[in-house]
Amino acid sequence: KAGVTQTPRYLIKTRGQQVTLSCSPISGHRSVSWYQQTPGQGLQFLFEYFSETQRNKGNFPGRFSGRQFSNSRSEMNVSTLELGDSALYLCASSSLAGERTDTQYFGPGTRLTVL
Amino acid sequence: AQKVTQAQTEISVVEKEDVTLDCVYETRDTTYYLFWYKQPPSGELVFLIRRNSFDEQNEISGRYSWNFQKSTSSFNFTITASQVVDSAVYFCALSEANNNAGNMLTFGGGTRLMVKP
Repeated sequence: KAGVTQTPRYLIKTRGQQVTLSCSPISGHRSVSWYQQTPGQGLQFLFEYFSETQRNKGNFPGRFSGRQFSNSRSEMNVSTLELGDSALYLCASSSLAGERTDTQYFGPGTRLTVL
Repeated sequence: AQKVTQAQTEISVVEKEDVTLDCVYETRDTTYYLFWYKQPPSGELVFLIRRNSFDEQNEISGRYSWNFQKSTSSFNFTITASQVVDSAVYFCALSEANNNAGNMLTFGGGTRLMVKP
């Protein structure tokens, strides 16, 4: 099976712009989660989607949003970019076959630089 | 609230040495899952192991072994006969099963392991 894929891998934006990141989960996986990784804050949970519904959201401002499509692919959007949004954004997928939690498998990440 | 602490921020060893990475967690849930992930320089988090709160058996997989002790809320990871390819950042993580947090992982700060030849 192919792993989790994320596009683009690298992105450079300027302050005030918006950005959309994409994630394709492992085939058959219905849950997609997003995490932000920075040197200062470490790995932090952004949100999780399951069957096109947001199940949980981390402590991030409303500028961070996401969605999931019927094929389980997910996108996350950050509007009005700030310098502090520079980070590695990781997407993870799980099968969640009848359970509330399951092992998450991560993609290679999108490295976002905000200038 | 759940919390994971990895007190060792950086460890340096010489190849073939054994090394133990510590992980201490906090949770109020009775059912939870603990994980270890490896992050090589490429950035992708690689899943290593998952352990549920009802299974305190230690696990061994090749040169890797894990020691789970509920009494001390610890889930330590040992690499035997370390190799240069083991150099990476290792993360311990926790997921609670009995609340409304969904499939959220709470990560420790990570331990950077450097194995020198």
